Amino acid sequence: QKEVEQNSGPLSVPEGAIASLNCTYSDRVSQSFFWYRQYSGKSPELIMSIYSNGDKEDGRFTAQLNKASQYVSLLIRDSQPSDSATYLCAVLAGTASKLTFGTGTRLQVTL
Amino acid sequence: KAGVTQTPRYLIKTRGQQVTLSCSPISGHRSVSWYQQTPGQGLQFLFEYFSETQRNKGNFPGRFSGRQFSNSRSEMNVSTLELGDSALYLCASSLWGTSGPSSYEQYFGPGTRLTVT
Repeated sequence: QKEVEQNSGPLSVPEGAIASLNCTYSDRVSQSFFWYRQYSGKSPELIMSIYSNGDKEDGRFTAQLNKASQYVSLLIRDSQPSDSATYLCAVLAGTASKLTFGTGTRLQVTL
Repeated sequence: KAGVTQTPRYLIKTRGQQVTLSCSPISGHRSVSWYQQTPGQGLQFLFEYFSETQRNKGNFPGRFSGRQFSNSRSEMNVSTLELGDSALYLCASSLWGTSGPSSYEQYFGPGTRLTVT
């Protein structure tokens, strides 16, 4: 079982719709969770971080964390074509001094 | 505040050669992590340095090595290059736990694209 799992996609949503990206993780002692956006040919850009159960909102982005289910998600409201990118989920587990990344979900926002 | 910088941005080498990549973290960040990104494998963790000490290492052969200097700048070296080493090499810096959970946030540089022929 992979430590951090994401559906590779592509996830296709029409402009203006809500995009829902999901991530599951295997290490129960994971404590911090991050979402990165990566455009083709560019480096990952941090867009959200979440540390406690529940929702965290920042503009059009909402991160949701459920530690009991070992599940973290990212919602993008009013999706725009500029949101088309690969979204990477990253997890900090226990005392490890590293983040573990999922393989990413490719999001396509169609006109 | 200036972001993470990496040099060079592009590099073409031949098999058997060695290469050194450089990373300058965000000012005040003492943790530097290196990753290899390929289309098939995604982001693979290479190693992490904090205050000149390697604290964690990924599952890569000994041809991959790194170091960190007292000013937190870091270098990674790949010796005896193989075709499979062609990848985007990314470095990321953070405060790493020095000031609450948000200090674990990692910020990436633009990467060095290495092509081995």
